Amino acid sequence: GESVGLHLPTLSVQEGDNSIINCAYSNSASDYFIWYKQESGKGPQFIIDIRSNMDKRQGQRVTVLLNKTVKHLSLQIAATQPGDSAVYFCAEREGGYSTLTFGKGTMLLVSP
Amino acid sequence: EPEVTQTPSHQVTQMGQEVILRCVPISNHLYFYWYRQILGQKVEFLVSFYNNEISEKSEIFDDQFSVERPDGSNFTLKIRSTKLEDSAMYFCASSVSQGRRSPLHFGNGTRLTVT
Repeated sequence: GESVGLHLPTLSVQEGDNSIINCAYSNSASDYFIWYKQESGKGPQFIIDIRSNMDKRQGQRVTVLLNKTVKHLSLQIAATQPGDSAVYFCAEREGGYSTLTFGKGTMLLVSP
Repeated sequence: EPEVTQTPSHQVTQMGQEVILRCVPISNHLYFYWYRQILGQKVEFLVSFYNNEISEKSEIFDDQFSVERPDGSNFTLKIRSTKLEDSAMYFCASSVSQGRRSPLHFGNGTRLTVT
């Protein structure tokens, strides 16, 4: 039969709520972080990024927070909409390298 | 908005056969990548490519894999002798540079099924 993949952490919210998705990273040498959104059958889509010399960056309806002390990254989505339903991945990059390392992902489910 | 395009969207092949996955990166980008995602799992790095040579590769990218930029627009991933465990989504990505604030832009992937 078909193999079963890893169960993703899931965050279920109501339309209009604010969502917070968390990510722990392990490489203290990482100096650049990105949040990606992946809808079913599509590739990862860039949402927002942040450099390690910042602790907060805002975009349209999204905010990324970086806490280097505890190696934690979060994505806040304001006024979540059904179209925000997707899997969200954080990714990190170590200075001097081009490789992005992805985290495990969180599934966001938004109900109307 | 410019985007990374990948063909085919789905490729079915028999074990032991060679496959070539094709990508057209964004035109002014200089760095090219292949990632893969096994069903339900996270996205894994395979290889990065710059100035017509591999700049980094992962342990997954063994001798059965190769990449090529045969002309000014295409970027290909070849798997020489496919195995069942190569079944996955393969994503191509490109970026302007490798510096900070240079995010990777991904295509929609090729689903490879090895039977």
